[in-house]
Amino acid sequence: EAGVTQFPSHSVIEKGQTVTLRCDPISGHDNLYWYRRVMGKEIKFLLHFVKESKQDESGMPNNRFLAERTGGTYSTLKVQPAELEDSGVYFCASSRLRGYEQFFGPGTRLTVL
Amino acid sequence: GEDVEQSLFLSVREGDSSVINCTYTDSSSTYLYWYKQEPGAGLQLLTYIFSNMDMKQDQRLTVLLNKKDKHLSLRIADTQTGDSAIYFCAEMGDTDKLIFGTGTRLQVFP
Repeated sequence: EAGVTQFPSHSVIEKGQTVTLRCDPISGHDNLYWYRRVMGKEIKFLLHFVKESKQDESGMPNNRFLAERTGGTYSTLKVQPAELEDSGVYFCASSRLRGYEQFFGPGTRLTVL
Repeated sequence: GEDVEQSLFLSVREGDSSVINCTYTDSSSTYLYWYKQEPGAGLQLLTYIFSNMDMKQDQRLTVLLNKKDKHLSLRIADTQTGDSAIYFCAEMGDTDKLIFGTGTRLQVFP
């Protein structure tokens, strides 16, 4: 069974540009989560999808971040326009059922210059 | 509020035991987790403990939970160089989002 995959592994962009991160969850996992770790701090929750619906987006920092999960399969997280403080590692996780183990992807390291 | 704290670094000699500590604040947490992150890899679930348990042992790993003090620890027996990584504790409360600590970087030297 393939694990959670994320693309790209690294992204370096300039302030003001747009970046789109992609996450492919484990097949059959309805629950998809986005987290990020900024500047070596704790990993913070961003949002949670159940299939294509946003279940909880309480962690989204501001309206420059837009997450989608079309068709309930893969998800994208767009940052537009990117700011310096958006630099960090963005993790995606998926689980089959709510409250069960969340399987994490390798993360996307985003650097905003 | 929800807050999870860990020490940032731990250095141990190969073969010794490592103890990584964590404190949390959300008393409603039902599960507490330990994740491991190796360089360039994602977060790997090492072990977890249900909130009504005091201890859980899994091979070289022992998790101790003190609910009164909201203190969680992970002991790694016979620490090996392959154990060098960042270890995150995390709690999950009523919602199923994980609340992570800052991570403890474990360095194992020969």
